[in-house]
Amino acid sequence: DAGVIQSPRHEVTEMGQEVTLRCKPISGHNSLFWYRQTMMRGLELLIYFNNNVPIDDSGMPEDRFSAKMPNASFSTLKIQPSEPRDSAVYFCASSRSLAGWDTQYFGPGTRLTVL
Amino acid sequence: DQQVKQNSPSLSVQEGRISILNCDYTNSMFDYFLWYKKYPAEGPTFLISISSIKDKNEDGRFTVFLNKSAKHLSLHIVPSQPGDSAVYFCAASLKAAGNKLTFGGGTRVLVKP
Repeated sequence: DAGVIQSPRHEVTEMGQEVTLRCKPISGHNSLFWYRQTMMRGLELLIYFNNNVPIDDSGMPEDRFSAKMPNASFSTLKIQPSEPRDSAVYFCASSRSLAGWDTQYFGPGTRLTVL
Repeated sequence: DQQVKQNSPSLSVQEGRISILNCDYTNSMFDYFLWYKKYPAEGPTFLISISSIKDKNEDGRFTVFLNKSAKHLSLHIVPSQPGDSAVYFCAASLKAAGNKLTFGGGTRVLVKP
């Protein structure tokens, strides 16, 4: 079975540009999570969805960040406009449900560099 | 504020010996704890977990210990193998609040042959 798929794997952009990161969760998984990993803040949860509905976006740093899940097999994280401090690795993860014991499976991540 | 902390950023151990990774948490409401392992250029992968009703959980070479009174958990890897070289993250959650994980900063383990 395919795991969580993220694209692109690497993105280099200039400050002020719009960036869109994409995620395809594992088929049959109903919950999807977006994380960001930086040296300063480690691995932090940005937002998560259940059955395509955003449940908690309290980790989204600013209004420049937005996430959508139009269907069960696709989600996007958009940054507009991007800033150099947004440079990080962004991970998407999925799980069967929001039950606390359901394992989260992570994608390989998107390394974003904003110049 | 960091609710989950891994105070040792790195650990070096000889192959065949024990690796002990430590993790402290501040939120006494956390009732489920996990360890994830991460190789370079890959996402974290689940390793082992423990519920707060237990104080030990074992899976092959990996054992997690939980000390609720000290708000401390540890991961023991015995024996350590070169393939265990990776970054290890501990994470905590409150099961009633859903699958929302709070991660520690990670510990980089290097197992020397």
